[in-house]
Amino acid sequence: GDSVTQMEGPVTLSEEAFLTINCTYTATGYPSLFWYVQYPGEGLQLLLKATKADDKGSNKGFEATYRKETTSFHLEKGSVQVSDSAVYFCAPYSGAGSYQLTFGKGTKLSVIP
Amino acid sequence: DAGVIQSPRHEVTEMGQEVTLRCKPISGHNSLFWYRQTMMRGLELLIYFNNNVPIDDSGMPEDRFSAKMPNASFSTLKIQPSEPRDSAVYFCASTPPGGDTGELFFGEGSRLTVL
Repeated sequence: GDSVTQMEGPVTLSEEAFLTINCTYTATGYPSLFWYVQYPGEGLQLLLKATKADDKGSNKGFEATYRKETTSFHLEKGSVQVSDSAVYFCAPYSGAGSYQLTFGKGTKLSVIP
Repeated sequence: DAGVIQSPRHEVTEMGQEVTLRCKPISGHNSLFWYRQTMMRGLELLIYFNNNVPIDDSGMPEDRFSAKMPNASFSTLKIQPSEPRDSAVYFCASTPPGGDTGELFFGEGSRLTVL
């Protein structure tokens, strides 16, 4: 089955710092790749996605590029804000009727003013 | 539009008691998922339904857990009897028809504490 490895947190950054959260995966075939975000006290919500190699997903200033050759989907943001403090989950999805996302363990990000 | 609605948001109970968690998926969605989140194990898929039928319950930890979906707009997750190790946040999520895309819509979760 699919699996994912995320960099361990917590990650603490000052406001306006550059963010990278590493994610590598193993999956059957050519999965779609997702980043979900969980703000304190809330459920997960989709942040961005990419469905094929070399695609770049982007949303709210975050970006991630589907790298098939390195099986990676690293999340980046050029200038983080306090409001970005949350837990971030990487998730490959092989589909094919499985209906099952494989979530990483999550990386907690804290941004301090 | 209303999102996925879960109740209760918080539940504190004593070991041995029955717990029922409820979920109303987004109208028109036909797949529903129950997840459990703990610090130690992260997010675990417990069960998912498609068109009200349980498709995969292999994640249900043991017979104390049961889930039902009597109609397209309601599902329950029941734990009986509850144990302290069941303490976790339980999330419900749904997807629309043709939603075999990996995009899940989550509720805000039910935080369960078993004393």
